[in-house]
Amino acid sequence: ETGVTQSPTHLIKTRGQQVTLRCSSQSGHNTVSWYQQALGQGPQFIFQYYREEENGRGNFPPRFSGLQFPNYSSELNVNALELDDSALYLCASSPGTSRLIEQFFGPGTRLTVL
Amino acid sequence: AQSVTQLDSHVSVSEGTPVLLRCNYSSSYSPSLFWYVQHPNKGLQLLLKYTSAATLVKGINGFEAEFKKSETSFHLTKPSAHMSDAAEYFCVVPNQAGTALIFGKGTTLSVSS
Repeated sequence: ETGVTQSPTHLIKTRGQQVTLRCSSQSGHNTVSWYQQALGQGPQFIFQYYREEENGRGNFPPRFSGLQFPNYSSELNVNALELDDSALYLCASSPGTSRLIEQFFGPGTRLTVL
Repeated sequence: AQSVTQLDSHVSVSEGTPVLLRCNYSSSYSPSLFWYVQHPNKGLQLLLKYTSAATLVKGINGFEAEFKKSETSFHLTKPSAHMSDAAEYFCVVPNQAGTALIFGKGTTLSVSS
């Protein structure tokens, strides 16, 4: 069974650019959630996708957007990058949206904005 | 609103001694609670979870946690630390809808020989 994978591993962008991060969910999982982890902090919820629809959103501006595809993989897009967007971006998949269900995390994408 | 507070940002122990990482929660409903571990340059891994069954929960690698409603606590313990336990530990509560995990700020566990 393949776990959650993310690409790329690392990324360097300049302020104002746009970036797309990718996530493949674990087999059998129909739900993908995205988190931002700044250095020395706990992860912060960005949004969740369930069966290709956004199913919840944290306190992030609209320039953070996402997609989920029919195979349940997902993309996180960030427009007009700011220096504060530098962080580890984590993707998690789960077989549903219940608060009783564990979310399985990928290794993350480290984004640096210069 | 739901929240968790990890009472120690850094805990240092010697190999072979007990580990105690403290977490208090706040929730307007009967919560689920999780502990996740993050090793350097690796993703988050679930250690254990409480979902309103037994209040003493056993997890992987010898860790366990006890849910105490009267104290609103969910402290993580291990009888004997190992060098490989050195990592960042997060206490986590899901929101009521189950869409988001709400993380504490984390506790860094250091283990010395």
